[in-house]
Amino acid sequence: RKEVEQDPGPFNVPEGATVAFNCTYSNSASQSFFWYRQDCRKEPKLLMSVYSSGNEDGRFTAQLNRASQYISLLIRDSKLSDSATYLCVVNSPSSNTGKLIFGQGTTLQVKP
Amino acid sequence: GAVVSQHPSRVICKSGTSVKIECRSLDFQATTMFWYRQFPKQSLMLMATSNEGSKATYEQGVEKDKFLINHASLTLSTLTVTSAHPEDSSFYICSASLVDNEQFFGPGTRLTVL
Repeated sequence: RKEVEQDPGPFNVPEGATVAFNCTYSNSASQSFFWYRQDCRKEPKLLMSVYSSGNEDGRFTAQLNRASQYISLLIRDSKLSDSATYLCVVNSPSSNTGKLIFGQGTTLQVKP
Repeated sequence: GAVVSQHPSRVICKSGTSVKIECRSLDFQATTMFWYRQFPKQSLMLMATSNEGSKATYEQGVEKDKFLINHASLTLSTLTVTSAHPEDSSFYICSASLVDNEQFFGPGTRLTVL
């Protein structure tokens, strides 16, 4: 089983749609959770951290369910510029150097 | 946010040559930097953790003698791909960690070995 699993997609949605991505992680001791965005042939950039109580940043909402070891990202009112690969990222509990584990990524394509 | 630079952004070399990639933290000091590799349509795979003033910690399956890492200062880590071969062609990305495990990534180096 992969340490961080995501549906690779692609998700093809029209502008204005709401889309949700899911992610599961295998190590229940993980404490830090993130969503990163990666554009084609570019480096990943932090989209948002994910907190236990859930958090929102504009059109983006992240949720964490520790019991199910499940993380989600909801994007409302999709824009063309949201087209990218979204990486679910979890810290490695066995590391004391801040090692992160990346999911395969979910590709989103927003169409006009 | 923190800025990490990487140089060169792209390199094309002949098989058998060595390539050095630099990673710099521009506005902060990084005792720990990370080196990743990403093949097309795959996720980032951690190669090694670079620690300032000490030896790097390599992930399982990564040859330390082939991928030499030096972290001589708090703002610079280098990755040298020795005797590069076409299968080493990939996107190499470094990152530096600040608080709460958040990592900031360099823009990456695209290596093509002919």
